[in-house]
Amino acid sequence: AQKITQTQPGMFVQEKEAVTLDCTYDTSDQSYGLFWYKQPSSGEMIFLIYQGSYDEQNATEGRYSLNFQKARKSANLVISASQLGDSAMYFCAMEAGGTSYGKLTFGQGTILTVHP
Amino acid sequence: DTGVSQDPRHKITKRGQNVTFRCDPISEHNRLYWYRQTLGQGPEFLTYFQNEAQLEKSRLLSDRFSAERPKGSFSTLEIQRTEQGDSAMYLCASTKTGGWYEQYFGPGTRLTVT
Repeated sequence: AQKITQTQPGMFVQEKEAVTLDCTYDTSDQSYGLFWYKQPSSGEMIFLIYQGSYDEQNATEGRYSLNFQKARKSANLVISASQLGDSAMYFCAMEAGGTSYGKLTFGQGTILTVHP
Repeated sequence: DTGVSQDPRHKITKRGQNVTFRCDPISEHNRLYWYRQTLGQGPEFLTYFQNEAQLEKSRLLSDRFSAERPKGSFSTLEIQRTEQGDSAMYLCASTKTGGWYEQYFGPGTRLTVT
């Protein structure tokens, strides 16, 4: 079984500063994918970034980067130059191979608030 | 590409009534997923389809829940004899097969059982 743990219920950051949202995972599969999604108050889930377990380089997508530390089973999201529109709930999720292929397991989420 | 759509967006029903939700995935996506999200929690997997075949169902999906995807296009999720505990956001997502692809989510259907 897969498990995602997000230990920060809420985070605050000043506009234009960087923030790191923590995510640790647990799986016995060797092949898996890690995802981050953003969920604004409107409710839609917006894909941000993906990291494959065999990818040697950390994923980056614009202001988002994923700090992937495989040995520590962590996949932290770094948002640089925070903007007011970044205020939302952020979910870390995992998709593992084998019989779980395709199914996403989500963490509890972290609410990010960006202050002007 | 119009994205994943769900209908209705909101549904209020009385306990014991049946409800049905519809999801239209992105047209070229052959995998379709249903998730349930309660307030303050992450989405939980319910079931998924590859084309018209339902390949996996969560233990969360009791006998009162049934999902279909006729002809591998849109999908419906029906809840029979609704209970107050069924109140949640029901999210649909779709994706391609063949690798690690992100799932595209619809706006969700918020169900309130009174």
